[in-house]
Amino acid sequence: GQQLNQSPQSMFIQEGEDVSMNCTSSSIFNTWLWYKQDPGEGPVLLIALYKAGELTSNGRLTAQFGITRKDSFLNISASIPSDVGIYFCAGQFPSGNTPLVFGKGTRLSVIA
Amino acid sequence: DVKVTQSSRYLVKRTGEKVFLECVQDMDHENMFWYRQDPGLGLRLIYFSYDVKMKEKGDIPEGYSVSREKKERFSLILESASTNQTSMYLCASSGGTFHTDTQYFGPGTRLTVL
Repeated sequence: GQQLNQSPQSMFIQEGEDVSMNCTSSSIFNTWLWYKQDPGEGPVLLIALYKAGELTSNGRLTAQFGITRKDSFLNISASIPSDVGIYFCAGQFPSGNTPLVFGKGTRLSVIA
Repeated sequence: DVKVTQSSRYLVKRTGEKVFLECVQDMDHENMFWYRQDPGLGLRLIYFSYDVKMKEKGDIPEGYSVSREKKERFSLILESASTNQTSMYLCASSGGTFHTDTQYFGPGTRLTVL
């Protein structure tokens, strides 16, 4: 099945630094979702974006739905140790009743 | 809050055993999904269901079957477990009135087949 291009694959950052990750697709999407997965747990929804150009924040997290509808980014400001985990993007095709397409994830490590 | 529960967090089975993984959601969602997650491969869709008694193959259905007899419950069945089915299995659901494509995940079942 088709997958999104998510980058970077992994990041090692110092506590307090800002983080940026993104997803791109050759197809347009109607919805972009960002999830975080803690070790040994299921992914948890962080931010959902439903409109091109939309910019949404959730605490220190900010995500944007690209204006071309083919990309999205997630920023984390002032990272803390509990930000460690795998971040996934997911997109929904405009045709509707098809499963989400997932990126392979960005593994974030925070050095205190 | 959406709640998706999975019957076991950890499971150890022997090769050839029949394995049932159960998933229950409490949000009256129409859609349910089973994924497996392996290092470096991301989330891969095994089967999904858009209604009771309906099922659709995902990207990697071989070696698996599913059952959806009730709206809230979606079961993944490994008819004869093999070592290459050792993995993390994740169930998800979506639906409702608005933003019906937003999926919510369970905590996962880490299955080891010996």
